[in-house]
Amino acid sequence: GQQLNQSPQSMFIQEGEDVSMNCTSSSIFNTWLWYKQEPGEGPVLLIALYKAGELTSNGRLTAQFGITRKDSFLNISASIPSDVGIYFCAGRRGNNDMRFGAGTRLTVKP
Amino acid sequence: DSGVTQTPKHLITATGQRVTLRCSPRSGDLSVYWYQQSLDQGLQFLIQYYNGEERAKGNILERFSAQQFPDLHSELNLSSLELGDSALYFCASSVSDRLTRSYTFGSGTRLTVV
Repeated sequence: GQQLNQSPQSMFIQEGEDVSMNCTSSSIFNTWLWYKQEPGEGPVLLIALYKAGELTSNGRLTAQFGITRKDSFLNISASIPSDVGIYFCAGRRGNNDMRFGAGTRLTVKP
Repeated sequence: DSGVTQTPKHLITATGQRVTLRCSPRSGDLSVYWYQQSLDQGLQFLIQYYNGEERAKGNILERFSAQQFPDLHSELNLSSLELGDSALYFCASSVSDRLTRSYTFGSGTRLTVV
């Protein structure tokens, strides 16, 4: 079953606002990944984190690998309407052991 | 276009029936992973094939089975369908038998069981 707790479940924000979401677990992961899924499409990788404490940016997106290796967060700055979608975290422990969070559904009002 | 092709895009079928979902991996990728995504749920890993052989198994029901063919496309067979099997089914492919950044998802098949 699900071992990643992702929050919040949904967010309704105004265009231009910053967004923050996180993922926590009772287990240690050696990689954290953040995906975005748009309606009718599969998840697309946004950011991958490979080391505890790592902070990585991809445009307006910033993600961090928690130092305990049990959590990660994703920030989106200055949101725009096309940021709408479901954001998933994923933690990887072994070669083929990857778990996904339940997702954060983001709605951006123009 | 991710390069991973899933067909059909939508499928509506009755309880008790059997369906086959198809996935063609991205060119050069040898691994195929299958996932189930139910409403408001994250992705649940079902099964992985690498170069024709089963490599890892997740929360896959006994009513479900999969295989990967010599041309590397994969099929997920769902039988004795129940209402609760309604979900999005995704496949993903990667070049090796390990999860890498090149892990790419298809657009999914939406299965509705009525």
